[in-house]
Amino acid sequence: DSGVTQTPKHLITATGQRVTLRCSPRSGDLSVYWYQQSLDQGLQFLIQYYNGEERAKGNILERFSAQQFPDLHSELNLSSLELGDSALYFCASSIGQGTYEQYFGPGTRLTVT
Amino acid sequence: TQLLEQSPQFLSIQEGENLTVYCNSSSVFSSLQWYRQEPGEGPVLLVTVVTGGEVKKLKRLTFQFGDARKDSSLHITAAQPGDTGLYLCAGAILMSNTGKLIFGQGTTLQVKP
Repeated sequence: DSGVTQTPKHLITATGQRVTLRCSPRSGDLSVYWYQQSLDQGLQFLIQYYNGEERAKGNILERFSAQQFPDLHSELNLSSLELGDSALYFCASSIGQGTYEQYFGPGTRLTVT
Repeated sequence: TQLLEQSPQFLSIQEGENLTVYCNSSSVFSSLQWYRQEPGEGPVLLVTVVTGGEVKKLKRLTFQFGDARKDSSLHITAAQPGDTGLYLCAGAILMSNTGKLIFGQGTTLQVKP
């Protein structure tokens, strides 16, 4: 158990819908990262938040957004969902803003039908 | 665009055999991480290497960071069925004050008893 929690574990929704994925980092960690893992793209970095502020952005679609709240939990919002958004979404956390040792949660499997 | 190429993509061996997984890039990384992922779970951090030429051992696993910090290898001695999984290397971007990681596509290892 990494100490990072993610909910829900599974999510099935239809195209065009909007969903919110939630992540709680390990106790004491200030950075939260979101990753997307699909069979053809591998593990792709989406975005990093550090202590409530956005720190780095990857190939995150404009339909996707995230935020980190004062209690340090984070939410990833996915809107206007397409079939191609079906993937595993992982949250990871680390102590600092430039800390590379990241601890991953169990992931949320999103299926868009 | 910074890329990490892993090879081989798939490896199926018998218990007791040795193997090496390679992670290569044309870019220099400030550090490199190796993760192991089992189906339906999040990646688990195995090791971080930081210094060029660094070698780290974790029981039967030996990790090496290239002298120029552009490549890394993972060597497993006397593989066991419990070593089965997806092995991922991830590089931290040089001179970036963020925790953004670039992941390789992964090596799927199957160790048959």
